[in-house]
Amino acid sequence: GDSVTQMEGPVTLSEEAFLTINCTYTATGYPSLFWYVQYPGEGLQLLLKATKADDKGSNKGFEATYRKETTSFHLEKGSVQVSDSAVYFCALSGAYNFNKFYFGSGTKLNVKP
Amino acid sequence: DAGVTQSPTHLIKTRGQHVTLRCSPISGHKSVSWYQQVLGQGPQFIFQYYEKEERGRGNFPDRFSARQFPNYSSELNVNALLLGDSALYLCASSIGQYNEQFFGPGTRLTVL
Repeated sequence: GDSVTQMEGPVTLSEEAFLTINCTYTATGYPSLFWYVQYPGEGLQLLLKATKADDKGSNKGFEATYRKETTSFHLEKGSVQVSDSAVYFCALSGAYNFNKFYFGSGTKLNVKP
Repeated sequence: DAGVTQSPTHLIKTRGQHVTLRCSPISGHKSVSWYQQVLGQGPQFIFQYYEKEERGRGNFPDRFSARQFPNYSSELNVNALLLGDSALYLCASSIGQYNEQFFGPGTRLTVL
């Protein structure tokens, strides 16, 4: 079945460091891919998405490219801030089950000043 | 505009009891989905309702049920609570069945 695997955390970085959070997926066909962020005490917020191969999603300095050949959707940011500290979830909605979202286990990011 | 709202915020129950969680979608959204997020894990899909009909169901036992009302709000019911049901229950709404989902803050359920 469809599934998402993302790197375990926590990831601890200094402010202005480069961020990569790895995400790979297993799915039939061409799923849509998403990154959600969960700040402490809050619900999930959509960070960015890509709906077809080679698409790049971007928002707030974060980027991720849908790589069909490596079944990956890695999240990157060139210079993190303390305010980026949160839990990041990679997710997919299946090509044939659009209404079901499959989430990874989440990666906690801690950014130190 | 108000986002997705859920009630209650927190809930404590004992094993064997029943619980009802409520969700109000964003105005104009006709689809509601429910997710269970156990501590340290990603959300797991439970149900999706669209136009008051169940359109998707995850791998959860029959103790879990839900419904959607004419105003598109929704209830999630869990019977015969187990310790393992302790989790954050998230509701998400979307305009249609296949559109972007917007999540509420969740209801934290603790089963003792």
